[in-house]
Amino acid sequence: NAGVTQTPKFQVLKTGQSMTLQCAQDMNHNSMYWYRQDPGMGLRLIYYSASEGTTDKGEVPNGYNVSRLNKREFSLRLESAAPSQTSVYFCASSLVPGQSMSEQFFGPGTRLTVL
Amino acid sequence: AQSVAQPEDQVNVAEGNPLTVKCTYSVSGNPYLFWYVQYPNRGLQFLLKYITGDNLVKGSYGFEAEFNKSQTSFHLKKPSALVSDSALYFCVVRERRGGADGLTFGKGTHLIIQP
Repeated sequence: NAGVTQTPKFQVLKTGQSMTLQCAQDMNHNSMYWYRQDPGMGLRLIYYSASEGTTDKGEVPNGYNVSRLNKREFSLRLESAAPSQTSVYFCASSLVPGQSMSEQFFGPGTRLTVL
Repeated sequence: AQSVAQPEDQVNVAEGNPLTVKCTYSVSGNPYLFWYVQYPNRGLQFLLKYITGDNLVKGSYGFEAEFNKSQTSFHLKKPSALVSDSALYFCVVRERRGGADGLTFGKGTHLIIQP
């Protein structure tokens, strides 16, 4: 049972390049999330997926797109990277919404630098 | 809109002494509150949560938190600090977003336990 996995762990991009961050969970969770973590700002929600087939914007969605490929996988794409997107990105998952308030489980993170 | 504040960027405690990491929140309706911990270069780990019931919530690694509705606070506590408790701690409030459990994070408090 690996929990939440993310690839890659590190990535350096040049301004304007594109890339996709991958996330997968093996806990049969329905909801998945993408956050970014910047110094002194805590984590901010980029996009989330309440269930397979649905995605919605979070607090800071500009410059990103997501795909909920299936129940297990939720990817985050940067179409044209900008230096402001230099950050650490975390994927998370949680049990079915509407039940008792289950915690979110986080992946190890992807450290992205945009030059 | 929900919000959470952690007034201290850093808390220093001697090993063996009790520790408190402060958190205040603002929500409309009933609060759902969490504490997460992040060790260096790692993802976030769930510590404890308050949904309803007893105001004193016990969690992982000997941590507990006290919910105070009148003061809108949810301070994290531990009776006797360990050097291994040194980490970044986040207070988190849940908000409902289209059926998914979106989390709003405080900025985090660095806890440093001195030997």
